[in-house]
Amino acid sequence: DGGITQSPKYLFRKEGQNVTLSCEQNLNHDAMYWYRQDPGQGLRLIYYSQIVNDFQKGDIAEGYSVSREKKESFPLTVTSAQKNPTAFYLCATIGDEKLFFGSGTQLSVL
Amino acid sequence: RKEVEQDPGPFNVPEGATVAFNCTYSNSASQSFFWYRQDCRKEPKLLMSVYSSGNEDGRFTAQLNRASQYISLLIRDSKLSDSATYLCVVNMRRSSASKIIFGSGTRLSIRP
Repeated sequence: DGGITQSPKYLFRKEGQNVTLSCEQNLNHDAMYWYRQDPGQGLRLIYYSQIVNDFQKGDIAEGYSVSREKKESFPLTVTSAQKNPTAFYLCATIGDEKLFFGSGTQLSVL
Repeated sequence: RKEVEQDPGPFNVPEGATVAFNCTYSNSASQSFFWYRQDCRKEPKLLMSVYSSGNEDGRFTAQLNRASQYISLLIRDSKLSDSATYLCVVNMRRSSASKIIFGSGTRLSIRP
């Protein structure tokens, strides 16, 4: 089945630690997106990538980093500079004008 | 001004009522528009795309007004299962890149 796989489903971060959220897709889509969602809020764009080896900052990129070395993979690193990382993180791709989502990663701070 | 704005609600309406949401967008070059539904802590699901001519899917009707830069969603004969957050989504194309922006969502609660 084609789709987007996010892992892990739940992740805990200690103070000062960097953590990486995985997003893998086998839909052969070029564009991939990372969003953050806080409780009771909408989705805010962190980073997006239109093509391999290229990505752009979204509206809340500070404290995050990404890479796009392969078409299938768009990992998101939450760095120690992100002081309030607790949120639900969603990865998405777009194809035929439709968005496809992973099932999300809930990140919490220990 | 936010690129995509929605009334956060919550809208609390009785079963069977008709309810309507609006969403405004700031970039006139925006290309495509959608309504998504999201249940708590789940990924959003596509409800419907929005076209200038308007489109209807059962109890749901979506409209796009490019001149005033807003889209709307109308839900008729609301059901308890319609309770969710409804997200307005705009695809803003800049050169060859698509930037997908979500509204903050409108919470809808249907009461028996």
